[in-house]
Amino acid sequence: EDQVTQSPEALRLQEGESSSLNCSYTVSGLRGLFWYRQDPGKGPEFLFTLYSAGEEKEKERLKATLTKKESFLHITAPKPEDSATYLCAALQGGSEKLVFGKGTKLTVNP
Amino acid sequence: EAQVTQNPRYLITVTGKKLTVTCSQNMNHEYMSWYRQDPGLGLRQIYYSMNVEVTDKGDVPEGYKVSRKEKRNFPLILESPSPNQTSLYFCASSFIGNTEAFFGQGTRLTVV
Repeated sequence: EDQVTQSPEALRLQEGESSSLNCSYTVSGLRGLFWYRQDPGKGPEFLFTLYSAGEEKEKERLKATLTKKESFLHITAPKPEDSATYLCAALQGGSEKLVFGKGTKLTVNP
Repeated sequence: EAQVTQNPRYLITVTGKKLTVTCSQNMNHEYMSWYRQDPGLGLRQIYYSMNVEVTDKGDVPEGYKVSRKEKRNFPLILESPSPNQTSLYFCASSFIGNTEAFFGQGTRLTVV
């Protein structure tokens, strides 16, 4: 069964304390790995797409990387406004179905 | 502005009373889908549509119906809602093959 597992479930950081979120996947014929940010009571907001192992994408304090079995979202010197739930999703081969992980709730304290 | 619009944002209804949640997108996307989000379970796909008149079941389709008569609209229908359908619902759209999905703001449904 195709699965996407995110860890940790929750992460508390001090402002400026860098860390990484993990997304491991077992999806047949991965066509793409996606990261979304979700603020409370709002819809997920697209951050990155990664298509092949070794690929990296950056946006401000965030950098996403991809290996053959997992993806990492690195957060460098986070600020309180980075507090949100970060969702990872994998696109299955041969379909347009996105399989989501349960998310990592990030809290950045000032 | 590119957006996915869901209505209503909040809804409280009683068991068995049919309801429809509307979803509309203005980006000419072929692919549209519905998700429900529950604490501890994450986002689970209910139904999706690859184009007009083409729909298919996701992971949790029981108790739901959809239709895609126009490219921009993808309503979610609950024929006989039950309390276990109390949830936060999201509609999303994207181009096929490029799944930078755009999500609506969500509909919080309570069935009593």
